[in-house]
Amino acid sequence: SSELTQDPAVSVALGQTVSITCQGDNLRRYFAAWYQQKPGQAPVLVIYGQNKRPSGIPDRFSGSSSGHTASLTISGAQAEDEADYYCNSRDSSGSLVVFGGGTTLTVL
Amino acid sequence: EVQLVESGGGLVQPGRSVKLSCAASGFTFDEYGLHWVRQTPGKGLEWVSGISWNGAHIGYADSVKGRFTISRDNAKNSLSLQMNSLRADDTALYYCAKGLFLDAAAPEFDFWGRGTLVIVSS
Repeated sequence: SSELTQDPAVSVALGQTVSITCQGDNLRRYFAAWYQQKPGQAPVLVIYGQNKRPSGIPDRFSGSSSGHTASLTISGAQAEDEADYYCNSRDSSGSLVVFGGGTTLTVL
Repeated sequence: EVQLVESGGGLVQPGRSVKLSCAASGFTFDEYGLHWVRQTPGKGLEWVSGISWNGAHIGYADSVKGRFTISRDNAKNSLSLQMNSLRADDTALYYCAKGLFLDAAAPEFDFWGRGTLVIVSS
């Protein structure tokens, strides 16, 4: 079973702000990374480390962490942001990688 | 341009073996960790295995430990996954992913291949 827990589904009105969360005890010690996956496509890294964005990722995507919860925030959600979002991190041993179960984001 | 191209998937009977390969290009291969991640159709992502830049450090998910073996050939810019004693629940799309850093357990994967489908069925 996954050591990272995500809500299965979240919705947001077009242009509004939404946060997707990822919970796990290992997040007290390690940063989470966040991925966006659209149907039929490979995942894309959108946030890693302490709120770092890879080249080409819009600045409406941001990350934060508090305690055992990591959050991905989309400020001003666009229709093209509708996708599945996954977090991952090191496991509690620090030697392996674990993924959260994923959150389906619907933009209304 | 970074490219990761997986191959080797297909239909395989339970209990049999298959070897996946990932051909990499567009980056300095021996400076990054590499990973296999799988996804059952319609389901979530599952990290399978990771290998450090020099192959010295390797990790496996509990679900595959003892059955799968990851390896890399830095001279040929290639990554492999030997999958033995396959089970129906190993059926998935297997992605090769490039790590952002050197080690086997850094969770940041900045480039992914398109995946190769493994179906385990009699």
